[in-house]
Amino acid sequence: GNSVTQMEGPVTLSEEAFLTINCTYTATGYPSLFWYVQYPGEGLQLLLKATKADDKGSNKGFEATYRKETTSFHLEKGSVQVSDSAVYFCALRDSQYGNKLVFGAGTILRVKS
Amino acid sequence: DTEVTQTPKHLVMGMTNKKSLKCEQHMGHRAMYWYKQKAKKPPELMFVYSYEKLSINESVPSRFSPECPNSSLLNLHLHALQPEDSALYLCASSQEQEGSFYGYTFGSGTRLTVV
Repeated sequence: GNSVTQMEGPVTLSEEAFLTINCTYTATGYPSLFWYVQYPGEGLQLLLKATKADDKGSNKGFEATYRKETTSFHLEKGSVQVSDSAVYFCALRDSQYGNKLVFGAGTILRVKS
Repeated sequence: DTEVTQTPKHLVMGMTNKKSLKCEQHMGHRAMYWYKQKAKKPPELMFVYSYEKLSINESVPSRFSPECPNSSLLNLHLHALQPEDSALYLCASSQEQEGSFYGYTFGSGTRLTVV
């Protein structure tokens, strides 16, 4: 079945450091891919998305490029802030199962000032 | 209106109680979802409603009973829960049509504690 694998955390960075959170997927065809962010005590917010190969999603300084050759959708940010501390979930759309989203395990990001 | 609103935000209930979680959206989304999230885990799909009809039940115990009274509302009725059912319950909605799916919009969740 379809699945998403994320790098294990927590990831701890100093403010203004470069961020990469790895995400790879296993799926039939080319599913839409998403990154969601969850701040403490809150629900999930859509951070960015890509619907086809080579698409780049971007939002709030975060970027991710849909790479079909490596089945990856790594999240990057050039300079993190303390306010970016949260849990980040990579997800894919399982179109064979309605519009079900399949989530990765999540990666905790901690940014220190 | 681009929000999914969930009430209550917090709920403490006994194992013999009956309670309901409510979810509302006014974005015209015709798919609505219930997810359960345990601490430090990803959300787990429970139910999917498509055009007000239940389309997916992920083998959820019958002590959880979903209801979709209309296209804007989604309820989750709770009865005889166990302490292990304590979790964050998330509602989400999305467009349903092929070519119009841009991901879910999540509510902020109801934190449920069963005592």
